[in-house]
Amino acid sequence: LAKTTQPISMDSYEGQEVNITCSHNNIATNDYITWYQQFPSQGPRFIIQGYKTKVTNEVASLFIPADRKSSTLSLPRVSLSDTAVYYCLVVPKTGANNLFFGTGTRLTVIP
Amino acid sequence: DAGVIQSPRHEVTEMGQEVTLRCKPISGHDYLFWYRQTMMRGLELLIYFNNNVPIDDSGMPEDRFSAKMPNASFSTLKIQPSEPRDSAVYFCASSPTYSTPLLSSYEQYFGPGTRLTVT
Repeated sequence: LAKTTQPISMDSYEGQEVNITCSHNNIATNDYITWYQQFPSQGPRFIIQGYKTKVTNEVASLFIPADRKSSTLSLPRVSLSDTAVYYCLVVPKTGANNLFFGTGTRLTVIP
Repeated sequence: DAGVIQSPRHEVTEMGQEVTLRCKPISGHDYLFWYRQTMMRGLELLIYFNNNVPIDDSGMPEDRFSAKMPNASFSTLKIQPSEPRDSAVYFCASSPTYSTPLLSSYEQYFGPGTRLTVT
């Protein structure tokens, strides 16, 4: 499984756009980039997944450059309820189902 | 659907006692995962099952840990004997296998977790 590197923590004020970047230099051709969100005292929750270019859903956007060696999770206009740990994972399309979550990025939204 | 159900939500036990954690996956999901989360080590995969069969148990810390999945709707994680270093939040997750080639099968659905404290 490709190793990922992301900032340990970030702070943001309410209403701002937050971008969390993850590097995955050893990503393989068949790998997908997946992000999970974990609120305090809850299990992680899948939020978005992509392979290349841009993916958007009701929660976030995921930007993946052409070389796919990094990706950026974008949260528009964050609120206090977006305070959570965000995990970037690289997973193969087929094969192993074991996910390596790493330490994630702890986002704190400030009023 | 009620989501993944875990019980108990909290467990406090004394060192040396047997602990059994329970999980009911989402109906129709054919993968089940057990994770452990601590501040020091983060979220670690312990074992996972596919169609009730253990596939990878390399994350199980030692022989004191065992997991079973007797049927598609129930799994247990047992620690015997328990030790203080086993104190953690234990999560169960399940996922389906997507049949379309456009999606991977990595959208795992996590339960609320069981907070285990061993004194």
